[in-house]
Order: sequence, then structure tokens, then C-alpha cells
Amino acid sequence: QQQVKQSPQSLIVQKGGISIINCAYENTAFDYFPWYQQFPGKGPALLIAIRPDVSEKKEGRFTISFNKSAKQFSLHIMDSQPGDSATYFCAASSSGKLIFGQGTTLQVKP
Amino acid sequence: DAGITQSPRHKVTETGTPVTLRCHQTENHRYMYWYRQDPGHGLRLIHYSYGVKDTDKGEVSDGYSVSRSKTEDFLLTLESATSSQTSVYFCAISEDGDYGYTFGSGTRLTVV
Repeated sequence: QQQVKQSPQSLIVQKGGISIINCAYENTAFDYFPWYQQFPGKGPALLIAIRPDVSEKKEGRFTISFNKSAKQFSLHIMDSQPGDSATYFCAASSSGKLIFGQGTTLQVKP
Repeated sequence: DAGITQSPRHKVTETGTPVTLRCHQTENHRYMYWYRQDPGHGLRLIHYSYGVKDTDKGEVSDGYSVSRSKTEDFLLTLESATSSQTSVYFCAISEDGDYGYTFGSGTRLTVV
């Protein structure tokens, strides 16, 4: 049973465009929602995270939007750059365990 | 990655043989985790530890065992490797089990 569902599986965006990745969760006990970025051959690295008591969090070009009632959250990458090309994972945490979505491979074309 | 080391980085083994992967941390974090990464599945939790000798199962624990005899080391053992266990294995650490997991660089395991 996939507790965190992520879409799309892959995404191609032009340089300067907006990249949007969506996630949905089922377990209402989740209380922390991070996004991770992974480059080939590397481990995932924390990008940005949000708690369910806020609806939006912005850090530079990266924004998380959170909809508690719909049990959905999304990552927006503004002014996407070729260096943003990577795999992105959403995740949700409860009781000391982090459950990941399936991942989205983002390619930003110059 | 600073503070967390996985060994070996690559391993090829035969079906039916035992395999042990090691995760070593220098951050003195309480929580340690083993994940496997497969295309289309993201990262799936195998086992985790919330202290020395305190471990619990994750989503995909069948065929795996773990041990943590010291704060800094978390071992993952495949008792009898199968081809379905071919994967990239990541160790992660966390100070409080919530914020800021730090991942190692991974171990690519191939079972032939």
C-alpha cells in the first residue's frame, strides 16, 4: 500500500518555467512533509519542508503548498534552471519514520 | 556525505549468499534507517533504529535483518540474497526522527 502518491513520474520544463510536482497522502497522522532532491549517484538531500499547520512555505525559488483538507501538497520551482534537473521525492513523517513518494525526474531544458 | 559513511559502495554477490552492508555515522544521532531505492518505487523503508539495540521493521523488511550494537553503526544483513534484492541501499540518520534526515551515498548491490 503506497501511503504517499507522487505525480508526475517525469517532467520536462523549459528554462525559466515553473515546475510543479504533486503528492497526496492517506495517513492523517503524518505531521511533517519534506521534499528531497537527488542527483545521479548521490543520496537524497533535504530541500524544503512544511508542517501541516501552515498552508505555504517559500525558500528562494522553491515553494511548498499544503492542503490539509484534501491531504495534498505540492512543490513549485519558480524560474526553473538546468541545474535543477534531478529527481525529487516528497515524503511524509509520523512516529519517527519517513515514507517517500515514488519520485519525479525533472529535466529543465536550456 | 559528511558524518555518514556506507560500505561497500558497490557489491556483486551470488544468489543464496549472505551479505552485510554497513552504515557508520559520526554525528551521534539517535535514529538510523535503511532504505532501498528502486525505479518506480521511490525509497522504501526496510528497518530503522531508535537507539542502541532498539530496532523496528519498515515497509519491506522481509528477507532483511539489522543490528545496532553501537550508536555509530547500523548493519543491514541479507541472510540469503535473492535477485529481487538487487537495488541501491541508502542509510539515513536523524537526530530526532523527524527533521532533516541525512542520507549516505548509497550501496549498489547486484545479486546474480
